[in-house]
Amino acid sequence: EDKVVQSPLSLVVHEGDTVTLNCSYEVTNFRSLLWYKQEKKAPTFLFMLTSSGIEKKSGRLSSILDKKELFSILNITATQTGDSAVYLCAVEARRRNNNAGNMLTFGGGTRLMVKP
Amino acid sequence: DAGVTQSPTHLIKTRGQHVTLRCSPISGHKSVSWYQQVLGQGPQFIFQYYEKEERGRGNFPDRFSARQFPNYSSELNVNALLLGDSALYLCASGLSGVYNEQFFGPGTRLTVL
Repeated sequence: EDKVVQSPLSLVVHEGDTVTLNCSYEVTNFRSLLWYKQEKKAPTFLFMLTSSGIEKKSGRLSSILDKKELFSILNITATQTGDSAVYLCAVEARRRNNNAGNMLTFGGGTRLMVKP
Repeated sequence: DAGVTQSPTHLIKTRGQHVTLRCSPISGHKSVSWYQQVLGQGPQFIFQYYEKEERGRGNFPDRFSARQFPNYSSELNVNALLLGDSALYLCASGLSGVYNEQFFGPGTRLTVL
């Protein structure tokens, strides 16, 4: 069974701090790893990673994938109160039954709270 | 442009009943995916449909079914509801079946009593 584990479960920091969120996975037929930010209900897409060692960057957020060690990290520098949210990691994999397409397996999320 | 819309917003059912949740994708999007998110957990993938065909299925019992209509809207049906089906049901639409292009709707909060 595919498994995605995120750590820490929750994190409280102050504005200006840098945080690193972790995502490890065990899946068969890996296709990609995705990061989302969920503030209220609808998750919003952050990054999609398919290749090891290539950093994706968007403003103060960056992410990298290690396909050998089966993990990814999401970094947020100079955190702001607006970064407070649940950050979700998901892995896309092809199902063992080739006719069943791909599926996403999500981790449990990391709840980040940024205090002023 | 309107985003992904879902109806109803909230729903209360009792055990054994069935429920139908609806999702309208962003105009021009042909892919719809469904997810179940239990409080305090990450979403779990239920189905993906693209061009009205099932492209992916998660590990959910046969009580869960879905379909996509010619206008690309979608319904998720759950029969014989259990207490454990209480969750936020999220729908996401995309131009294709690629997951990085999908946009999530606000969800339907289902409570089973």
